[in-house]
Amino acid sequence: DSGVTQTPKHLITATGQRVTLRCSPRSGDLSVYWYQQSLDQGLQFLIQYYNGEERAKGNILERFSAQQFPDLHSELNLSSLELGDSALYFCASSVEVLNTEAFFGQGTRLTVV
Amino acid sequence: AQTVTQSQPEMSVQEAETVTLSCTYDTSESNYYLFWYKQPPSRQMILVIRQEAYKQQNATENRFSVNFQKAAKSFSLKISDSQLGDTAMYFCAFKQGAQKLVFGQGTRLTINP
Repeated sequence: DSGVTQTPKHLITATGQRVTLRCSPRSGDLSVYWYQQSLDQGLQFLIQYYNGEERAKGNILERFSAQQFPDLHSELNLSSLELGDSALYFCASSVEVLNTEAFFGQGTRLTVV
Repeated sequence: AQTVTQSQPEMSVQEAETVTLSCTYDTSESNYYLFWYKQPPSRQMILVIRQEAYKQQNATENRFSVNFQKAAKSFSLKISDSQLGDTAMYFCAFKQGAQKLVFGQGTRLTINP
């Protein structure tokens, strides 16, 4: 158990819908990262938050948005969903002080039908 | 921008053999971290081993060790006495400070009985 919790584990929704993925980082970790992994693909960086503020943005679509709350949990919002958004969405967290390794949640498997 | 390259899309060895996965990276930074993550069929991302760039000594974790060649920007993973449970996708990753993890495309490793 990495200590990073993602909910839900699985999500099936229709095209055009909106979903929210939730991530609770490890206790004490200030950074949260979101990654997207399509079938048999590598991990694409979407966005990073550090202590409530956006720190870096990757290839995140305008239909996607995220935020990190004062308790440091984060949510990734995906709207106007398309079939191509079906993927595994990972959240990772890191303390970012001395030890910069990131620990991953189990991921949310999103299927858009 | 940093890039990570894994030149072996797939590898296959017999149980108990030793296998080495290759990774090269490109950066102009001098202080950074390198990681190998394992992704078994469960799709969980598991940290296998980490290496700080300022350390000359190669990291070792039980049957897993790395060969870190900073000047050549090479970071290979050696798995000794391979086991069936080592069957997974392996990702090499680069991280500099509090910035995002940059992943290679992965190597699919199969351990045959």
